[in-house]
Amino acid sequence: DAKTTQPNSMESNEEEPVHLPCNHSTISGTDYIHWYRQLPSQGPEYVIHGLTSNVNNRMASLAIAEDRKSSTLILHRATLRDAAVYYCILFNFNKFYFGSGTKLNVKP
Amino acid sequence: EAGVTQFPSHSVIEKGQTVTLRCDPISGHDNLYWYRRVMGKEIKFLLHFVKESKQDESGMPNNRFLAERTGGTYSTLKVQPAELEDSGVYFCASSQGSPMNTEAFFGQGTRLTVV
Repeated sequence: DAKTTQPNSMESNEEEPVHLPCNHSTISGTDYIHWYRQLPSQGPEYVIHGLTSNVNNRMASLAIAEDRKSSTLILHRATLRDAAVYYCILFNFNKFYFGSGTKLNVKP
Repeated sequence: EAGVTQFPSHSVIEKGQTVTLRCDPISGHDNLYWYRRVMGKEIKFLLHFVKESKQDESGMPNNRFLAERTGGTYSTLKVQPAELEDSGVYFCASSQGSPMNTEAFFGQGTRLTVV
């Protein structure tokens, strides 16, 4: 069984913020929360990761709930190139545990 | 700098045949991982190398799968004999350190179809 659950799909308008949710209610204290995205015919591509605190980088922000049982990936201004499948992943003991991913559609 | 390279990109083989997938990690990356997604399932871990040593092969489905990493550089994943349920996309990833602290880079995958 997947350790993370995500909505199957979401839609956003171009240049608007997008909040992609993820539940990981069985997360352990040593699990890192990673987000990767996958464009068609490509492998997963790193977006962001964190452990307990919120994280920001040039691509996105990661908001982690205080109890760590959920997290949200925030794309501040979606572009057409952000259309992809976004995976919320737990990482521990050198293994990624992938969820089923959210397919993000960005409308012009 | 070249990314993680996998080939072939596609392979169609008959049940019972042998197939070898190859992965060239980013130069200097000691950590190399194999993952796969079979139809309708999540991407799942197969095994992890550090240099030429297998650190964890707990995800290998059975003894028809054999992975090697010659001299700590490229890696091969051989399936012998292939079965229908082995069809899926096989991904290789590499990282310089642990993905606790750094990102992993994935190849584009090899789509294996067993008929």
